[in-house]
Formats: sequence, structure tokens, C-alpha cells
Amino acid sequence: DGGITQSPKYLFRKEGQNVTLSCEQNLNHDAMYWYRQDPGQGLRLIYYSQIVNDFQKGDIAEGYSVSREKKESFPLTVTSAQKNPTAFYLCASSSGAGELFFGEGSRLTVL
Amino acid sequence: GENVEQHPSTLSVQEGDSAVIKCTYSDSASNYFPWYKQELGKGPQLIIDIRSNVGEKKDQRIAVTLNKTAKHFSLHITETQPEDSAVYFCAATPRDDKIIFGKGTRLHILP
Repeated sequence: DGGITQSPKYLFRKEGQNVTLSCEQNLNHDAMYWYRQDPGQGLRLIYYSQIVNDFQKGDIAEGYSVSREKKESFPLTVTSAQKNPTAFYLCASSSGAGELFFGEGSRLTVL
Repeated sequence: GENVEQHPSTLSVQEGDSAVIKCTYSDSASNYFPWYKQELGKGPQLIIDIRSNVGEKKDQRIAVTLNKTAKHFSLHITETQPEDSAVYFCAATPRDDKIIFGKGTRLHILP
């Protein structure tokens, strides 16, 4: 089936460690996005990519990094510079016609 | 700046009654207004959308209305059912690569 796969679903990290969240899509979409979701805060854009080998910062990019080496993949690294990384992370893709297709999310907890 | 306000943040309605969620946006260039439903522990899914060239759109028990002059749009759910319990997000797109989400409404359907 076509869709977006995020992994892992749950992730625990010690302070000072970098972690990478995976996002893969087989929808042949050009655009991919990473959002962070905190209770009562809605969806905040971290990074987005409109095309392979290119990406732009969103509203809360500090402490995060991404790469877009393949059309299907858009991994997000949460670095030790992110001061409050505990959150629910959502990846999405779009064909450009408007609708976003979201993955099931990854919940990161810093111990 | 670009902003989407969503109200209420929490809504409880009796099963069978109607629910209304309202959003206002700030950028008059916005021309696409999707609504997403997020069930617990999952990613949001598009349930209905409307473009700026129409004032109302309906899909079974769900309808969306748009008032471009006042810059507000609303989601209406009639004959609510237990499976309608979820978090709902409105969004506006001031340009093709920019989607701004409201902070969400948690809808509880009471038995």
C-alpha cells in the first residue's frame, strides 16, 4: 500500500545524544515535511523539502538537521543542541496539490 | 504575521448533536483551507477541504463554510457519533509551499 512510514514509533534518548528519526514515502511525492507536536501547541514546522538535495528551515529548526538524498526519504536528526526535544514528531509528504499525507508519528522521550 | 486562530480548544457534545469548530486566518492570500482529524496516537488525516472559489462544501455529515471577506472558515459535524471523538486541526495556505495550522480542537462525543 502507498503511504508514509515513520520509525521508530517510540524512542528514548539520554541527554546529550543525537537521535535520527526515519521517514520513508512511496507516494512519489516531491515535497516532504517534519512537524513537531506538543500538547496545546498544534503542529509546528521544523524543516521541509520541495525537491531532492534541497530543504528549508521551518519555524523551529534550531537543534534539528535533515537530509534529502533520495526522493523517498527525509530523515530528521534531533541534536543535543535541541533543549527540549521530548515531543511527538510527524512526517508528511505532498504532491503539491494541497493535501498533506502524514505518517503515524514518532514519540521521542528524553530521559 | 501569518496566523490561524482556532476555537474552541476543547468541545464536548452529546452524541447525535452537532459540533462546530471555527478558524480565522490573517493572510488574505490564503486560498486553500483543509481540515485534518487526528485520532489518539496517530498522524492527522484530511477529512475535508475547501478552496477560495467556493463558499461551502459538504461530504455526508461533514461540511465546511468559508467567508473570505471576514477571513474565517468553520467545520460543521452533524449527527455526531462516538468515532468523531478526536483532535481536529484547521489550516490555511498563504502560498503553495506554506501551510499554517491552528492549534487544534479536542472534540469529545458524550454518550
